[in-house]
Amino acid sequence: DQQVKQNSPSLSVQEGRISILNCDYTNSMFDYFLWYKKYPAEGPTFLISISSIKDKNEDGRFTVFLNKSAKHLSLHIVPSQPGDSAVYFCAATTRGSYKYIFGTGTRLKVLA
Amino acid sequence: SQTIHQWPATLVQPVGSPLSLECTVEGTSNPNLYWYRQAAGRGLQLLFYSIGIDQISSEVPQNLSASRPQDRQFILSSKKLLLSDSGFYLCACQRTANYGYTFGSGTRLTVV
Repeated sequence: DQQVKQNSPSLSVQEGRISILNCDYTNSMFDYFLWYKKYPAEGPTFLISISSIKDKNEDGRFTVFLNKSAKHLSLHIVPSQPGDSAVYFCAATTRGSYKYIFGTGTRLKVLA
Repeated sequence: SQTIHQWPATLVQPVGSPLSLECTVEGTSNPNLYWYRQAAGRGLQLLFYSIGIDQISSEVPQNLSASRPQDRQFILSSKKLLLSDSGFYLCACQRTANYGYTFGSGTRLTVV
């Protein structure tokens, strides 16, 4: 049972445009969400997070939106840059839990 | 800040051979430790986690085992590898619950 889903395995975006990566979850107990970025042959690195008490968190070019009623979160990258080309994983957890549940990832390709 | 050392970076092993992957952590004490696997075309699957020495929780029944002989050492093992054990193995640490993970650089295991 995949509790965290990223239904788009890949996405291509022109440099300078907006990239929108989506993530859906099924467990209503999740209250903390993160996005990780992963380059080939490397471990994922933390990008941005959001608590369920917020619906938006912004950090530079990266903004995460949370829609609790729809159990949906999205990551917006504006403007997209070629260096943003990577696989992006969303993850979810319940506060106090030791475990993060990861989605299957979306491969973003930013075209120069 | 935490640093994770994970080795080897790549490994090719024959079916039926044993496996030992090691992960050590610097910069924090008493971390939560994790082993994840990223199989081809799939997301990050949690295999094992540990909240203390000799405390191991298994998430997925399989051909693998984990041990934590020291506070900052986490080992993934197998007595006999299967073809399906191929994948990218990631060690991660978490300073305490509700913090994000820091991932190691990963081990690409190919079982032939």
